[in-house]
Amino acid sequence: QQQVKQSPQSLIVQKGGISIINCAYENTAFDYFPWYQQFPGKGPALLIAIRPDVSEKKEGRFTISFNKSAKQFSLHIMDSQPGDSATYFCAASKGLADSSYKLIFGSGTRLLVRP
Amino acid sequence: SQTIHQWPATLVQPVGSPLSLECTVEGTSNPNLYWYRQAAGRGLQLLFYSVGIGQISSEVPQNLSASRPQDRQFILSSKKLLLSDSGFYLCAWSVRLRRSYEQYFGPGTRLTVT
Repeated sequence: QQQVKQSPQSLIVQKGGISIINCAYENTAFDYFPWYQQFPGKGPALLIAIRPDVSEKKEGRFTISFNKSAKQFSLHIMDSQPGDSATYFCAASKGLADSSYKLIFGSGTRLLVRP
Repeated sequence: SQTIHQWPATLVQPVGSPLSLECTVEGTSNPNLYWYRQAAGRGLQLLFYSVGIGQISSEVPQNLSASRPQDRQFILSSKKLLLSDSGFYLCAWSVRLRRSYEQYFGPGTRLTVT
């Protein structure tokens, strides 16, 4: 119930195409769903996040689609660019009794955008 | 603005040697702090988190320990390193407010145990 399943493991997209990465979860107590972008040798950077009371959130070329009934959410990268080539992680979070919270991460998707 | 620092950036240590990795956060007070480990080509595993000075919660039993001697300082330690301790160690912080869940990661420390 604590897992977040991410697919695909790797993805190759042509420049200008749409990159789609999917995640699924089981625990209905999760109430925050962020996406992180990580370049080799660097720490992950928060890209975009959504709460379950909305079905879609868009920031520039990045969109999260959220399906609460299916317990799935996805990241869409429109007009993908070679600079988007990185590893993307989805995550899910729920609060803990001591005012902290845990992020449960997916296994990551390595995206390569070909020029 | 807030900044998170980790050092060293890379470390090569022999099996059985001690370890001390340090993380500091600037520009915020009373943050929640986290240590994660990332194995090569894998996801992130939460090791420890802290909601205040001296308050440490452990997520997985292991060869490592954590301490928080100051509000914005988080230290990851080991008395004797194992080969399996190799990995990319990431510190993260978050604001300690209800429903403010964003976590921000540091640059990481690459640890190789030989």
